Amino acid sequence: DADVTQTPRNRITKTGKRIMLECSQTKGHDRMYWYRQDPGLGLRLIYYSFDVKDINKGEISDGYSVSRQAQAKFSLSLESAIPNQTALYFCATPLRGHQPQHFGDGTRLSIL
Amino acid sequence: GNSVTQMEGPVTLSEEAFLTINCTYTATGYPSLFWYVQYPGEGLQLLLKATKADDKGSNKGFEATYRKETTSFHLEKGSVQVSDSAVYFCALSPLGSQGNLIFGKGTKLSVKP
Repeated sequence: DADVTQTPRNRITKTGKRIMLECSQTKGHDRMYWYRQDPGLGLRLIYYSFDVKDINKGEISDGYSVSRQAQAKFSLSLESAIPNQTALYFCATPLRGHQPQHFGDGTRLSIL
Repeated sequence: GNSVTQMEGPVTLSEEAFLTINCTYTATGYPSLFWYVQYPGEGLQLLLKATKADDKGSNKGFEATYRKETTSFHLEKGSVQVSDSAVYFCALSPLGSQGNLIFGKGTKLSVKP
């Protein structure tokens, strides 16, 4: 079983729609992260959570919200999607210690 | 602020060629440094890391040395294979950041047989 599972793997939707991307992990880590990857820009941190009650904004949180429903689940929402949110989204948890070393396979999101 | 600059790609090499991907960073104090690799259609995998000056990280034939004096963490491999074709990301975790990562823009490597 994969340690970090993201759903869906691919999603195409229209401008203005609400979208939720889900992430679950099987290792009981406290910390979970959401990143966005754009071609030529690397990965940028959207939100991170140190535990169920501790949610923090990252570098590019505008237009996004998150929910840590349980230790194992961390969801990313786009309340009203816009085309420049088209990107590859990754969830991550620490392999050990405090470093986000383990990434999910990503969700490719296209907003028309 | 904290930032990572890595050489732009794409880089195209023949099999068994020597690889260097340059990475320099800006940070206060002593950050931890990482190289991640992303194979086509997959997420990122940690390739190697170094947590203090002069440390050498190594894995799968790849090496990188933490050079405080030149603020660099260049990735090297003596003989690349077709299976090394991927995108490589240099990243740092600032001191006291509680584990957050700052990534470079990535370098795409293509190895031809």
